Amino acid sequence: DAGVTQSPTHLIKTRGQQVTLRCSPKSGHDTVSWYQQALGQGPQFIFQYYEEEERQRGNFPDRFSGHQFPNYSSELNVNALLLGDSALYLCASSLENEQYFGPGTRLTVT
Amino acid sequence: GENVEQHPSTLSVQEGDSAVIKCTYSDSASNYFPWYKQELGKGPQLIIDIRSNVGEKKDQRIAVTLNKTAKHFSLHITETQPEDSAVYFCAASRVTSYDKVIFGPGTSLSVIP
Repeated sequence: DAGVTQSPTHLIKTRGQQVTLRCSPKSGHDTVSWYQQALGQGPQFIFQYYEEEERQRGNFPDRFSGHQFPNYSSELNVNALLLGDSALYLCASSLENEQYFGPGTRLTVT
Repeated sequence: GENVEQHPSTLSVQEGDSAVIKCTYSDSASNYFPWYKQELGKGPQLIIDIRSNVGEKKDQRIAVTLNKTAKHFSLHITETQPEDSAVYFCAASRVTSYDKVIFGPGTSLSVIP
């Protein structure tokens, strides 16, 4: 079992650009959550997808959007990037309450 | 809003000693409390969790305790080893409809050989 995988590993974007991050959940998991982790802080919940619908959303602006595909994989899209969007973006998959995290995508906005 | 506080922010112990990390939560409806270990360059790894219907849970050198009345929960690591060095996060959520998980700010644990 490959566990949760994320791509790309690292990404550098310019302010104002758009970015798409990808996540493949652990085998058998149907729920995907996305988190933003700034340096030296705990992960902050962005949103959660289940059955291709956004089920829960944290306190993030509409510039952050997502999608879940029929195979349960997911994408996180961020539009109009700001310097403050620089962070580690984590994907977590779950079947019930236990969440398993991927290694994250390090996004740097310059 | 929901909030999880965590102390201390940094902790340094000698190998073989015990380490204790304490957390408090604000949402009285929270009833699931996972703990995560995050090593450099990796995502958080679930190491142990506890639900509100129990007060303590052990797994080898790791134990968690929960006081729902005081809204406190703690992680205890005994016989610490250098490989325990990492950042530890406590978290809280509700076991209903796959509620979002609220994380504490983390504790950086260093185990000195």
